[in-house]
Amino acid sequence: DTAVSQTPKYLVTQMGNDKSIKCEQNLGHDTMYWYKQDSKKFLKIMFSYNNKELIINETVPNRFSPKSPDKAHLNLHINSLELGDSAVYFCASSQQPRTGWERGNYGYTFGSGTRLTVV
Amino acid sequence: QKEVEQNSGPLSVPEGAIASLNCTYSDRGSQSFFWYRQYSGKSPELIMSIYSNGDKEDGRFTAQLNKASQYVSLLIRDSQPSDSATYLCAVNNPADRGSTLGRLYFGRGTQLTVWP
Repeated sequence: DTAVSQTPKYLVTQMGNDKSIKCEQNLGHDTMYWYKQDSKKFLKIMFSYNNKELIINETVPNRFSPKSPDKAHLNLHINSLELGDSAVYFCASSQQPRTGWERGNYGYTFGSGTRLTVV
Repeated sequence: QKEVEQNSGPLSVPEGAIASLNCTYSDRGSQSFFWYRQYSGKSPELIMSIYSNGDKEDGRFTAQLNKASQYVSLLIRDSQPSDSATYLCAVNNPADRGSTLGRLYFGRGTQLTVWP
């Protein structure tokens, strides 16, 4: 039973197209994230939602638009794809601590990733 | 931008050796520290979390935390070729407020190769 499932796993598309990636978690977590991982393995945060509310929106082109219909789902739509968008996109979820000092199982659970190739 | 620095690697060790992976962080108030392992073509997987100064052991893995030096490390004893992966350090920031409290800040990872 997959905890964080992400589809599709691979996406090859032409420049200028619009595509979507979907993510679902069954862990009951409050918070979901989108990360972009470049070829050098750096994980760069893009967006985060907490209970359907957008809480983190890093400097990302507005061609990228996240949507969270409920706290278990977070989708990413990308318009007018460019070559530089080629990367692996990871969805993740986590439980929300009540304070910054609270200890517990607050690490992220990642989805399997979507390898996007723009040609 | 919170800084989380990892030794750049790649790190190459023979089978059976101890692999030592290091991470320093810039925010003195950080309280939660995580190590993730990422195999090539796979997603990051949480392998250790640590919150208190000292050592935490789990099988062949030991996480070491020194908050005064703002340093967290991961030791892998009796390294196996199956340990070959990229290891990511992640740290929280308690200055984050409200709903962003759970955010983690990642280092760039250290690639480990264990050769037979």
